[in-house]
Amino acid sequence: NAGVTQTPKFRVLKTGQSMTLLCAQDMNHEYMYWYRQDPGMGLRLIHYSVGEGTTAKGEVPDGYNVSRLKKQNFLLGLESAAPSQTSVYFCASSRPGAGANVLTFGAGSRLTVL
Amino acid sequence: AQSVAQPEDQVNVAEGNPLTVKCTYSVSGNPYLFWYVQYPNRGLQFLLKYITGDNLVKGSYGFEAEFNKSQTSFHLKKPSALVSDSALYFCAVEGWFSGGYNKLIFGAGTRLAVHP
Repeated sequence: NAGVTQTPKFRVLKTGQSMTLLCAQDMNHEYMYWYRQDPGMGLRLIHYSVGEGTTAKGEVPDGYNVSRLKKQNFLLGLESAAPSQTSVYFCASSRPGAGANVLTFGAGSRLTVL
Repeated sequence: AQSVAQPEDQVNVAEGNPLTVKCTYSVSGNPYLFWYVQYPNRGLQFLLKYITGDNLVKGSYGFEAEFNKSQTSFHLKKPSALVSDSALYFCAVEGWFSGGYNKLIFGAGTRLAVHP
């Protein structure tokens, strides 16, 4: 079982370049999320999706776009990268239901914007 | 505002000693509370959760957490620390987002260092 897979694992961009991070999950989870992790700030939610074809903004959505064309994939796009977007990005997925919402995380994608 | 606080950036413990990683929360209603662990260069892994019932919750790797409603705390504990427990620990609370869907609000994380 692969769980949640993120590609690429590492990427270096120049300011103004664009890129897409891909997240794939094989657990048939309805919900998917993109977080960024910065030192001393924990994880902050960028965008999330509660089902195929739906997306919604999280806490820090500016400068990012997302798409969920297939249930198993959740793409995070940076149209014009900025140094402030240097971070480690985590994708997660979950199955909603009765009780608490336990997330399964990918291994992370480290992005550096020069 | 809904929030989670982890007051310690780092906790240092000798191997074999008990450990506590602190977490306090602010959320309306009855909270769902979580602990996740992050090992170097890995994603977060679920450790345990509190929904309702017994205030002492047991989780993976011998960890447990105590829910205290009056103090709005959910401290992570382990009776005897191992060097392999050294990692970054995140407390999280499930809160309601403006869009109507629940989401996890994470604390800033506490680095646990267990020394031989």
